[in-house]
Amino acid sequence: GQNIDQPTEMTATEGAIVQINCTYQTSGFNGLFWYQQHAGEAPTFLSYNVLDGLEEKGRFSSFLSRSKGYSYLLLKELQMKDSASYLCAVHSGYSTLTFGKGTMLLVSP
Amino acid sequence: DVKVTQSSRYLVKRTGEKVFLECVQDMDHENMFWYRQDPGLGLRLIYFSYDVKMKEKGDIPEGYSVSREKKERFSLILESASTNQTSMYLCASSPHSSGRSPGELFFGEGSRLTVL
Repeated sequence: GQNIDQPTEMTATEGAIVQINCTYQTSGFNGLFWYQQHAGEAPTFLSYNVLDGLEEKGRFSSFLSRSKGYSYLLLKELQMKDSASYLCAVHSGYSTLTFGKGTMLLVSP
Repeated sequence: DVKVTQSSRYLVKRTGEKVFLECVQDMDHENMFWYRQDPGLGLRLIYFSYDVKMKEKGDIPEGYSVSREKKERFSLILESASTNQTSMYLCASSPHSSGRSPGELFFGEGSRLTVL
């Protein structure tokens, strides 16, 4: 079976750093995705990890540990526009992605 | 710029009606998907298709069917809509191989369906 867990909600302050965790147990593993979704909009691609380690892209970084079934998304220098839902998804070897329930991040001034 | 277009952003239907949700992509992608998204449940896969006239059941296919007569178009059909099918429906596509990020999905804007 497939199980992907991430926190339901997080709050943070503008300018701060926030880490959103994701743990997974899947029957196969071909990579892990993070998507951002603003209210009423389509999810948009943020990052992809298939090897262990940290991938950095501007203010956003994503980390993967395959042995622990664990990933996190790190957002630095938070801005109000970062208020959104963040979706962790695992590519388990077919062409489909299995998604976690999403983490709603609220950034306050 | 890549584009996945869903025909209707908002629909209101009555219980028992037949509902068609259309999705078109202009990226020549082989794979297309239909998800529904509900608060507290996240994105759940309904059906997907690897090629024209091919279809595979996802995690929650009951009450739905699909049609893929052309590569660029993937339709979701609710034969007899019920109130528990009130949801946001998201269409997505992906190529068979995707370079740096295999499996990456490109999403449409979503269709919010309300069944009364």
